[in-house]
Order: sequence, then structure tokens, then C-alpha cells
Amino acid sequence: EDKVVQSPLSLVVHEGDTVTLNCSYEVTNFRSLLWYKQEKKAPTFLFMLTSSGIEKKSGRLSSILDKKELFSILNITATQTGDSAVYLCAVSTNAGNMLTFGGGTRLMVKP
Amino acid sequence: KAGVTQTPRYLIKTRGQQVTLSCSPISGHRSVSWYQQTPGQGLQFLFEYFSETQRNKGNFPGRFSGRQFSNSRSEMNVSTLELGDSALYLCASSLVLAGGVRQAFFGQGTRLTVV
Repeated sequence: EDKVVQSPLSLVVHEGDTVTLNCSYEVTNFRSLLWYKQEKKAPTFLFMLTSSGIEKKSGRLSSILDKKELFSILNITATQTGDSAVYLCAVSTNAGNMLTFGGGTRLMVKP
Repeated sequence: KAGVTQTPRYLIKTRGQQVTLSCSPISGHRSVSWYQQTPGQGLQFLFEYFSETQRNKGNFPGRFSGRQFSNSRSEMNVSTLELGDSALYLCASSLVLAGGVRQAFFGQGTRLTVV
């Protein structure tokens, strides 16, 4: 059975801190790993990673995938209160268009 | 481009009733997937439709069903509702990128409460 595990479960930091969120996976026929941010309802897309070792970057957020060790990290630098959300990691496989999600990391950024 | 649209946004039903939720994907997206999100189980895959055909199904009982129309709009139906069906139901539409890799965009969800 495909499995995605995120850590930590929750995190409280202060504005300006840097955080690293972890996602490890065990799936058959890996195709891609996706990161989403969920504040209230709709998870919003952050990154999709398919190749190992290539960093994706968007402003203060960046992510990298290690296909050998089966994990990905999401970094957020200079955190702001608006970064407070649940961050979800999901993996897709060649078996179809379904995503297997991790349990999420709840990030709270205090002013 | 309009995003993924789900209706209704909120719904309250009683046990034993049935419910139909609707999802309109992003224009041009032909794949629609449904997910159930609960505090205990997180986000779980229900099923995926592509070109009016169900391609994948998650581990949910037969009370959960869906369909897709020729305009790619999708509906999911839950019959004989149980209290445990209370959840946020999310729809995602997908674009097929080069190499067959898909990027999923989510709607705002339908919050279903069963009382």
C-alpha cells in the first residue's frame, strides 16, 4: 500500500524564522511529488517535483526531492504570519491520476 | 481562467438521506478526481473520472458513486448517509503535462454535515 508520511505534525515559529517540513514516501511506480498549502478550504498548489536533486523555488519557498532516499523537504525562509496553514505533501504514481496524501504539517507563525 | 467550482459549499443532511455534489473543472481539464477530508483520516482519494469513464477508485463503500458528463463536469453521490460521512469533499481537476505528469488544482470543497 502506498504511504506518505509528513513531519513534524505541527510547528509553532515566530516571524522571520526559517522552517523545514519533511515528507517521506513509499509508493510503487513513483511519478511526481506535490506540495500544497491549505488555509481554509481548497489546497493551493505550491510545487511539483519529478526529478531528484533539482530545487524548485518560488519567493521564500523552495523544495527539493531525493528519489534515492524517498523524501522531499519544503523550506520556508523569513516566515510571515500569512504562512500559517497546513502544508500537504502528495505523491502520484503511474497507476493513475490519484494522489496519496500525507497527514499534513500544521504551521503556525506568531508575530 | 475560472478555477474549479464546487457546489453547494455547505450542506446539512440527516442520516439515511442521499446527497449529490457537483464539480465543474477548469476549462480544458478532462480529468476530475474526488477526495474526502476528515480530521481523523486526512485527505483520501475517492475516485477519478476522465472522458466520462471512471479510471480509478479508492477504498470507499459502494454508497459512494460518481459520474462525469461530456462537458467534463462531475457529480458524486452518497446514498444512505452515515454520521461518519461528515467531511469536506474536495474535487480536483487535472491538466496533463508533457510526459504525462499531471498537476491537480482543487476546488473550495463542499462541507457536508450529517446529523
